[in-house]
Amino acid sequence: ILNVEQSPQSLHVQEGDSTNFTCSFPSSNFYALHWYRWETAKSPEALFVMTLNGDEKKKGRISATLNTKEGYSYLYIKGSQPEDSATYLCAFHGGATNKLIFGTGTLLAVQP
Amino acid sequence: DTEVTQTPKHLVMGMTNKKSLKCEQHMGHRAMYWYKQKAKKPPELMFVYSYEKLSINESVPSRFSPECPNSSLLNLHLHALQPEDSALYLCASSQASGGAPETQYFGPGTRLLVL
Repeated sequence: ILNVEQSPQSLHVQEGDSTNFTCSFPSSNFYALHWYRWETAKSPEALFVMTLNGDEKKKGRISATLNTKEGYSYLYIKGSQPEDSATYLCAFHGGATNKLIFGTGTLLAVQP
Repeated sequence: DTEVTQTPKHLVMGMTNKKSLKCEQHMGHRAMYWYKQKAKKPPELMFVYSYEKLSINESVPSRFSPECPNSSLLNLHLHALQPEDSALYLCASSQASGGAPETQYFGPGTRLLVL
């Protein structure tokens, strides 16, 4: 059974704080690691697809790093805003199939 | 248009009912997916269609019957469901170009309650 774990489960921060969360995944048979942002009652929104060890990706104030050898990825949000409040999901993509295995997500709440 | 639409948004059904969930995309994607998400759990893959053919069935009970009538549409037919099947059902699509890992684009889901 492949395990994808995310921590923390939830996070409450003040507007302007920077924050980061972790996704741990199997280090074998790695193909890609996906990050999604999911606001309540909306569709999960794709943030990043990461494939190479040492990869860093950035989208506005959000960035992510990848370590495939040790099986983890970090997502960083700089200067959190209330509109960043959402659940952040990572998904492990192992082997060359279309199957994604999701973590349970980190719920971020940003207080104004 | 990067939207995946799903209907209905909410569905309540009895254990003897037959109902269908619908998913549509107009991005020219040739892979489509059904996921199931129970409360406080991650989304779990149920089925994958690639070029309108079923390519992955994650040992889903036969009371769930997927159908892909054309490259834009994906249905999930429901019959004789159990209360434990109550969940959020998510549809997604991707290009199926066979090259680099692809982003899957998700719909907002159908929240199903089985009484």
